[in-house]
Amino acid sequence: GEDVEQSLFLSVREGDSSVINCTYTDSSSTYLYWYKQEPGAGLQLLTYIFSNMDMKQDQRLTVLLNKKDKHLSLRIADTQTGDSAIYFCAESRRTGANNLFFGTGTRLTVIP
Amino acid sequence: DGGITQSPKYLFRKEGQNVTLSCEQNLNHDAMYWYRQDPGQGLRLIYYSQIVNDFQKGDIAEGYSVSREKKESFPLTVTSAQKNPTAFYLCASSMGRILGYTFGSGTRLTVV
Repeated sequence: GEDVEQSLFLSVREGDSSVINCTYTDSSSTYLYWYKQEPGAGLQLLTYIFSNMDMKQDQRLTVLLNKKDKHLSLRIADTQTGDSAIYFCAESRRTGANNLFFGTGTRLTVIP
Repeated sequence: DGGITQSPKYLFRKEGQNVTLSCEQNLNHDAMYWYRQDPGQGLRLIYYSQIVNDFQKGDIAEGYSVSREKKESFPLTVTSAQKNPTAFYLCASSMGRILGYTFGSGTRLTVV
C-alpha cells in the first residue's frame, strides 16, 4: 500500500522550536492526526485537523496542512525535555473501513 | 475512568507455542484494532473489528488470529506459524473518525 512518510529522527535544543513533517497519500483524507508515543507506552492523541483547515493551534502545538502538496507539519514551541518521544502522523482515508494509516514515526530528542 | 487495557505488559514465549494477548476496553467503542510495532517501521495493522462477531484481516494477518465475542474484548493470538513474533503489540479502539483512536499501553512479546 501507499505509505505515509516521516523523517525518522529530529534533534533540537531545549527552548527551541521543533518542526516535525509528514507527507500523506490520499488527497481525499478527511482527518489528519498527530500522536505522541513515550518509551514503552501506547500512543496518545495530541491533536487533529480537518482537511478543510489550513492551520490549528493548541497551546504550544501548531499544525499546518498543505493539501496541494499533501504535507502536514507539527510545530512544538519552546520544546522541553518532556517532549522527547516518537511522533506519528496518521490519515483517515475516505475509502474503506474506519482505519487510520500511520507514518513511520519521528523520534524527537531534546538536548538540555 | 474509561480506558483500554492490555495485558500482560511483558510476555515471553518459547518457539512453537501459541500465546494470547488480552485487550479490553470500557469506552463503549464499536471498533477495535491490533497493530504490531517494530523499530523504524511504524505501526502495521494486523486485524480489526468494526462490530461484535465480525473482524477483518489487516496488512500482516498471517500467523495471527482474533475473536470478537464481546464488544469490550478483542484478544489476539500469536500462533506458532508467525515466523518473527518478537515485537511490541498495540491495541486500539475507536468510536468514529473525528476522535481517532484510543490506544492501550502495549504488550512486548519476546520469543526465547
